[in-house]
Amino acid sequence: GNSVTQMEGPVTLSEEAFLTINCTYTATGYPSLFWYVQYPGEGLQLLLKATKADDKGSNKGFEATYRKETTSFHLEKGSVQVSDSAVYFCALMHPNAGGTSYGKLTFGQGTILTVHP
Amino acid sequence: SAVISQKPSRDICQRGTSLTIQCQVDSQVTMMFWYRQQPGQSLTLIATANQGSEATYESGFVIDKFPISRPNLTFSTLTVSNMSPEDSSIYLCSVQGLAGGRGTDTQYFGPGTRLTVL
Repeated sequence: GNSVTQMEGPVTLSEEAFLTINCTYTATGYPSLFWYVQYPGEGLQLLLKATKADDKGSNKGFEATYRKETTSFHLEKGSVQVSDSAVYFCALMHPNAGGTSYGKLTFGQGTILTVHP
Repeated sequence: SAVISQKPSRDICQRGTSLTIQCQVDSQVTMMFWYRQQPGQSLTLIATANQGSEATYESGFVIDKFPISRPNLTFSTLTVSNMSPEDSSIYLCSVQGLAGGRGTDTQYFGPGTRLTVL
């Protein structure tokens, strides 16, 4: 079955530090990959996505590249801010049996990021 | 993306009672889903809400405990029945497949309903 594994948290960084949150997946075929972010007390927001191998998703200074050879989708940001403090979820979507784009999401366990001034 | 609202945003309930959560989208969508996020945990899919037919439940979730309705393409409800403290979670709806063929491969989430059962 499909599964997603994220690096253990929590992660604590100083402002302007470099961020990497590792994410690896197990799936058959070619899933789409996502990073969602959950700010304190809020719902999930889509941060970025990639739908095929070697695609790079990017948003708000965050980037992640779909690496099929290593089944990975690591999240990176060159310089974090206090406002980036949140929980980050890696997820995959596998096409359903009908082969359409609609499919359920499988989430990783989430990584708590805290950024200090 | 779509604008998704949920009601109530939070509630505190007594064990043995039921709560119905509403999810409203500002445009027609193809797919609607319900997730549970237990305290400090990741998200788990409860079911896919199918318009005009019975919901499709994931392993470990049953209709008697989590009845779902979806009367049209913009609205769905999830009821948490005969609640116990173990049902204390955040319940989130999500949508996929927006009008005009947009967002067919992306799910967008509502703000969630924070439920506490005493």
